[in-house]
Amino acid sequence: GAVVSQHPSRVICKSGTSVKIECRSLDFQATTMFWYRQFPKKSLMLMATSNEGSKATYEQGVEKDKFLINHASLTLSTLTVTSAHPEDSSFYICSAEGGVSYNEQFFGPGTRLTVL
Amino acid sequence: GQQLNQSPQSMFIQEGEDVSMNCTSSSIFNTWLWYKQEPGEGPVLLIALYKAGELTSNGRLTAQFGITRKDSFLNISASIPSDVGIYFCAAKGTNAGKSTFGDGTTLTVKP
Repeated sequence: GAVVSQHPSRVICKSGTSVKIECRSLDFQATTMFWYRQFPKKSLMLMATSNEGSKATYEQGVEKDKFLINHASLTLSTLTVTSAHPEDSSFYICSAEGGVSYNEQFFGPGTRLTVL
Repeated sequence: GQQLNQSPQSMFIQEGEDVSMNCTSSSIFNTWLWYKQEPGEGPVLLIALYKAGELTSNGRLTAQFGITRKDSFLNISASIPSDVGIYFCAAKGTNAGKSTFGDGTTLTVKP
């Protein structure tokens, strides 16, 4: 149990385009989902926390107009990187909390974004 | 804000050796979690701890929730090459809300 999927696993796009990343909890209802960004050999940087049906809470320094987060259902959250630029290239990872293990975050496999 | 100090930052060990890493904080937490991340993958939960003093094992892994609720350690016994990766500690102060993560311990195991 407690499986979280992410799609796509890898995406390459041109500068100026928008990219949508999906995060799904496959076998539990995620009351809360988190989006992280990770640079090579670095720790996880929390970008935002989202609860189903409400607006995401962004961490300081994260542009909410650039990184659009939608948590439309208890099993799906999306992160859209708008007008992507090369400096947005990174590894984006989502995690989900909920169900009986509400104190434990379960992570997706990550999405490698490369902006040319 | 709440911070976790995870150490060591990296370890280079020989196969068969035991490993120990820890996380400390000046804040009190109610939950401690240990994750392992392999290259190109998301972190995977190894052990969750919910009570001060709790000692929990998962195979060759053992973790403890410090009695002061401000620290936790993870031990790996008889390391093998597939133990390589980045190990993260995480902690939560309340049942709701985000976890605080340590900066990770990168483990390299030489055969």
